[in-house]
Amino acid sequence: ETGVTQSPTHLIKTRGQQVTLRCSSQSGHNTVSWYQQALGQGPQFIFQYYREEENGRGNFPPRFSGLQFPNYSSELNVNALELDDSALYLCASSLAGSSLYEQYFGPGTRLTVT
Amino acid sequence: AQSVSQHNHHVILSEAASLELGCNYSYGGTVNLFWYVQYPGQHLQLLLKYFSGDPLVKGIKGFEAEFIKSKFSFNLRKPSVQWSDTAEYFCAVSTLNNAGNMLTFGGGTRLMVKP
Repeated sequence: ETGVTQSPTHLIKTRGQQVTLRCSSQSGHNTVSWYQQALGQGPQFIFQYYREEENGRGNFPPRFSGLQFPNYSSELNVNALELDDSALYLCASSLAGSSLYEQYFGPGTRLTVT
Repeated sequence: AQSVSQHNHHVILSEAASLELGCNYSYGGTVNLFWYVQYPGQHLQLLLKYFSGDPLVKGIKGFEAEFIKSKFSFNLRKPSVQWSDTAEYFCAVSTLNNAGNMLTFGGGTRLMVKP
C-alpha cells in the first residue's frame, strides 16, 4: 500500500510569484485535503477535493486554488505569494464513504517566501 | 465556527511519569475528535479518535483519551511515558460532510521526555 506522497520537499519562492504543490493520495483513497502549518502552529484547513471538485474550504483567500485529477492526485496553487505564505503545506487523503473517514497525511512541502 | 485549545505548549517529563495533555473545543454540534502525533522528522500520525460510543478511547502506543461532553474536553493520557514519546501532539475536531472530515487543529503541545 503506497502512502501519501508530496512534491517537492522544499521550495523557495519570491514574493509575488506563483507556486504549485503536488500530492498523490494513498492507494484506494478518493478525497484529498490540504492544510497549511505555519511554524509553531497547528495545521489549518485550506480546502478539500472530492470527485474533482472543491468540497469545502477554510478561511483562505481565492489566490489559494486547487485541482484534483481523475487518478485522485491533487495540486495546490498559490498566486501572488506573500511572506506569510511561508509554511509547511500538508496533504491528507481519505476514503469517502468509509465509516472511519480517517485522514492520512503526507510528509509536507516546506515553502519559503522571500 | 469551531475552535480547539491546547493549554500546554511545552511539557517536559521524566521517563515513567504520567502524562495528561489538555484539549478543549468549541462547537455546538456533534463532534468527531482526534489526537495526532508528529514525531521528529515524521508525518502526522493518528493516535486515536472518538466518533461515538464509549467516551474512553484507547489508541496506539498505550495512549488513551476521555471525551467529556459537559466540559467540551478530550484530554490525552498515558500512565507512563517513554523517551520515544518525545513528539508534538495535536488535538483536532472535525466537521463531517459527504466526503470526509475537515479537521480543525489546536496549536499543538511539544512533549519532551527526559531519559
